[in-house]
Amino acid sequence: AQRVTQPEKLLSVFKGAPVELKCNYSYSGSPELFWYVQYSRQRLQLLLRHISRESIKGFTADLNKGETSFHLKKPFAQEEDSAMYYCALTDSWGKLQFGAGTQVVVTP
Amino acid sequence: EAGVVQSPRYKIIEKKQPVAFWCNPISGHNTLYWYRQNLGQGPELLIRYENEEAVDDSQLPKDRFSAERLKGVDSTLKIQPAELGDSAVYLCASSSSMNRGAEAFFGQGTRLTVV
Repeated sequence: AQRVTQPEKLLSVFKGAPVELKCNYSYSGSPELFWYVQYSRQRLQLLLRHISRESIKGFTADLNKGETSFHLKKPFAQEEDSAMYYCALTDSWGKLQFGAGTQVVVTP
Repeated sequence: EAGVVQSPRYKIIEKKQPVAFWCNPISGHNTLYWYRQNLGQGPELLIRYENEEAVDDSQLPKDRFSAERLKGVDSTLKIQPAELGDSAVYLCASSSSMNRGAEAFFGQGTRLTVV
């Protein structure tokens, strides 16, 4: 069965420092991968997806099929980046599955 | 556009009582998901609909949980009877197609507390 693993429950970084959230997946087929974000008191929303290959709010994520990873990166963290981040995978049948999430706290 | 609408936002019930959650997806979205999110964990899929058909309900505890999506629009999720372990946030989401890259839009969730 497919699985999404986010090894860090909490990441605390200083404003202006780089931040990297790790995501590893296990899936025998070709997955679609996403990062979703939940800001305080807001609903869960899409941040970016690997098929778009775009940078959103300064974040990028690269799919590494060899390492089965989809890590999220931002070179300079901002206070407004403080949120809960979830890595997610869609399998061949359209099932959307989430990791346990990483809480990011950016301190000034 | 209000987005995905869920009600109620909060519900407190005693164990063994029934409870129902309602979800109105974004207009035109064929795919509807129900997730359960326990404290400190990611959302876990309970059931997925394509129009009115449940295409994935393998994670739904069918002895006490049921769901329906009449006419392929609104959906309800029911628990009967509720247990203490059912306390969680129940999330509804919808997306526009079975395209695996399609974005899922989430509701605000219903926070259930079973006492």
